[in-house]
Amino acid sequence: DAMVIQNPRYQVTQFGKPVTLSCSQTLNHNVMYWYQQKSSQAPKLLFHYYDKDFNNEADTPDNFQSRRPNTSFCFLDIRSPGLGDAAMYLCATSRSSVQETQYFGPGTRLLVL
Amino acid sequence: GQQLNQSPQSMFIQEGEDVSMNCTSSSIFNTWLWYKQDPGEGPVLLIALYKAGELTSNGRLTAQFGITRKDSFLNISASIPSDVGIYFCAGPAYNTDKLIFGTGTRLQVFP
Repeated sequence: DAMVIQNPRYQVTQFGKPVTLSCSQTLNHNVMYWYQQKSSQAPKLLFHYYDKDFNNEADTPDNFQSRRPNTSFCFLDIRSPGLGDAAMYLCATSRSSVQETQYFGPGTRLLVL
Repeated sequence: GQQLNQSPQSMFIQEGEDVSMNCTSSSIFNTWLWYKQDPGEGPVLLIALYKAGELTSNGRLTAQFGITRKDSFLNISASIPSDVGIYFCAGPAYNTDKLIFGTGTRLQVFP
């Protein structure tokens, strides 16, 4: 009964080759988030969508973009991955506001060669 | 800005022992969340606390929302090997669109 699904679970890309990670949710939640997590660190918020409204964190590089075509799906596009972008990417959702509990997907581990 | 400090940073315990970890902040939080993250997986919500003084259990886990709203603790009783992982506390930052995460406590359980 997966609620937040991320595909693929593992992604290998080449330096500079665009890559897209996907997230879907069966919870019908309004808010969807993308986090980057590096080894032994807490997740770091990249951006989030409140419904269709996109909210970018000030320190998120321009290399990272996102799309949310409908309530259920959200995509993370990395336009030109660098070696420093290798990390776990986590998608999360919350029902109607950031002040509510967030539910995470299993993550996509990105490797950049 | 608001920060959450977790202690201890890591713990090495024997199976069957009880575990206690805590999370403190210099700022007030209205919600405290405890997540567990297994290696290679996303964080899984263990317990959510919404009221100062609230004490909530989930199986062998017990968490409390501190009276001052600046701290929370998580206890695990009779630890088992599958308790291994990183435990994060988290809370929504006041008046922002952000969930603040603690620094994490890494738990190792030896048989």
